[in-house]
Amino acid sequence: EAGVTQFPSHSVIEKGQTVTLRCDPISGHDNLYWYRRVMGKEIKFLLHFVKESKQDESGMPNNRFLAERTGGTYSTLKVQPAELEDSGVYFCASSPFGSGFTEAFFGQGTRLTVV
Amino acid sequence: GQQVMQIPQYQHVQEGEDFTTYCNSSTTLSNIQWYKQRPGGHPVFLIQLVKSGEVKKQKRLTFQFGEAKKNSSLHITATQTTDVGTYFCARPFGGGATNKLIFGTGTLLAVQP
Repeated sequence: EAGVTQFPSHSVIEKGQTVTLRCDPISGHDNLYWYRRVMGKEIKFLLHFVKESKQDESGMPNNRFLAERTGGTYSTLKVQPAELEDSGVYFCASSPFGSGFTEAFFGQGTRLTVV
Repeated sequence: GQQVMQIPQYQHVQEGEDFTTYCNSSTTLSNIQWYKQRPGGHPVFLIQLVKSGEVKKQKRLTFQFGEAKKNSSLHITATQTTDVGTYFCARPFGGGATNKLIFGTGTLLAVQP
């Protein structure tokens, strides 16, 4: 079974440009999360989807970040316009939806560098 | 607040030595999870602890959850070079059976052969 896949694996863009990150969760996983790790610091929650609905986007830094999950399958995270402080590794994770605990499976991440 | 403090930030050991990382919260936790991230890799779930005073073992790894459910530890016996990486504890937030997590600051483990 394929794991969570993210692409691109790396992206280097100039300040002011736009970048779109994509995440394909494990098939059948209704929960999809975006996290970010900046400069070797802790991993921070950005937002949570259940199917196509945003359940919690409290971690989104500002309105330059837009996440979508049309159709409840893959998700995109767009940064527009990118700023230097947006550099970091963006992780996507997914898990099945249910009443009990299920572990989250993380993708390999997208390393974003804004120059 | 909801932050989770983790110590030490960095630990360098000789292969064969033991290693422990500690996670502390100012509030009672419903459960705590541990993840490992290899250099250049992604977080991989290790375990979840739920019960007060719980102790779980995975081969050379021993996980403990404090009696008050405010702290946790991960102990590795006789480290190997494959143990290299950053170990994170993480607490859930927001209620419900989700994986919305607040991660600790992580402990980077370096193992010298």
